[in-house]
Amino acid sequence: DSGVTQTPKHLITATGQRVTLRCSPRSGDLSVYWYQQSLDQGLQFLIQYYNGEERAKGNILERFSAQQFPDLHSELNLSSLELGDSALYFCASSPRTSGGTQYFGPGTRLLVL
Amino acid sequence: AQSVTQLDSHVSVSEGTPVLLRCNYSSSYSPSLFWYVQHPNKGLQLLLKYTSAATLVKGINGFEAEFKKSETSFHLTKPSAHMSDAAEYFCVVNIRGGAGGTSYGKLTFGQGTILTVHP
Repeated sequence: DSGVTQTPKHLITATGQRVTLRCSPRSGDLSVYWYQQSLDQGLQFLIQYYNGEERAKGNILERFSAQQFPDLHSELNLSSLELGDSALYFCASSPRTSGGTQYFGPGTRLLVL
Repeated sequence: AQSVTQLDSHVSVSEGTPVLLRCNYSSSYSPSLFWYVQHPNKGLQLLLKYTSAATLVKGINGFEAEFKKSETSFHLTKPSAHMSDAAEYFCVVNIRGGAGGTSYGKLTFGQGTILTVHP
């Protein structure tokens, strides 16, 4: 158990809908990262937050957004969902002195029908 | 830019035989390198990491990896495979950056190597 929690574990929804994925980092970790894992693209970085502020952006679509709240939990919002958004979404967190190590949550499996 | 290439998409071994999963990286700066493992329908678990200390790194479950700068490689090995090692393995790089080179950012993942262990 990494200490990173993600909810929900599974999500099934329809095209055009909007969903919110939630992540709680390990206690004391200020950085939160979101990654998408799909069969065709592999594991890709989406976005990073550090202590409530956006720090870096990767291959995140404009239909997707994220935020980190004062209690350091983070939410990833996916809107106007398409079939191709079906994937496993991971959240990771890291402490300041981890040497770059990130600890991953169990993931949220999203299925868009 | 940083990148990682895992040279084999699938590796198949017999239980009790050695495991070698190959990884090459590309980085302009001093990298941190990791191996993560993902068991079926599970999350990503850190196996081991290299962060510029000893070049031979020992991880969990008997795995180890050697950082070879001249070859830009970070291959993962285990002397004797166990059935429970069957999983997908990811070689990952993170580059030091930011002010004073003290901060890290995104992880860049290789495409993964699926390890199959036969009885």
